[in-house]
Amino acid sequence: GAVVSQHPSWVICKSGTSVKIECRSLDFQATTMFWYRQFPKQSLMLMATSNEGSKATYEQGVEKDKFLINHASLTLSTLTVTSAHPEDSSFYICSARVQREGPLSWDGELFFGEGSRLTVL
Amino acid sequence: GNSVTQMEGPVTLSEEAFLTINCTYTATGYPSLFWYVQYPGEGLQLLLKATKADDKGSNKGFEATYRKETTSFHLEKGSVQVSDSAVYFCALSDQGGATNKLIFGTGTLLAVQP
Repeated sequence: GAVVSQHPSWVICKSGTSVKIECRSLDFQATTMFWYRQFPKQSLMLMATSNEGSKATYEQGVEKDKFLINHASLTLSTLTVTSAHPEDSSFYICSARVQREGPLSWDGELFFGEGSRLTVL
Repeated sequence: GNSVTQMEGPVTLSEEAFLTINCTYTATGYPSLFWYVQYPGEGLQLLLKATKADDKGSNKGFEATYRKETTSFHLEKGSVQVSDSAVYFCALSDQGGATNKLIFGTGTLLAVQP
């Protein structure tokens, strides 16, 4: 199956610093990746859709200047949390879809990374 | 808009008990339906899926049937194990949307006790 890898798996930073999280598709090309934030008690919130070679599409209420997304290649998307604060502490998860040819270009399945635990002190 | 509603947890069961986690959806068109599982400390992984009405998805002893008439996709397992302890997410594919994204329920924590 398709493999998605995130790095780092956990990071601790000081308030006011920026943190970059990488999401890689290891054995397939991903034109579209999705970034989620998982809150305590496990609810999963879609933050943005990352499209290779173009600007990300952010969900309502997500600050695009705070959560910078770059999808510079077909196998890598990055999420940068800028000027992080303690309220940004969370579990961030990326996912990717396998784009196939044919009338059903996407069957709806996503492949998820392992997640990145961010703690801002 | 499209949405998914699943039963709140936590669900606590003894080993070998029968499991049902309810999931209902609201959607236009003909979405695909999914169950994803998240084991402690890990990312989500696909457990099973169904792409059209009356399809049954199954994997690792888990089953779910796509019921269009009741707009449901309940997850069942006949005999749970301690290793099934995880968070289970019901989801539908928003195929009609511009981004073709997945819409998730809030997740249900399952705790299986020996």
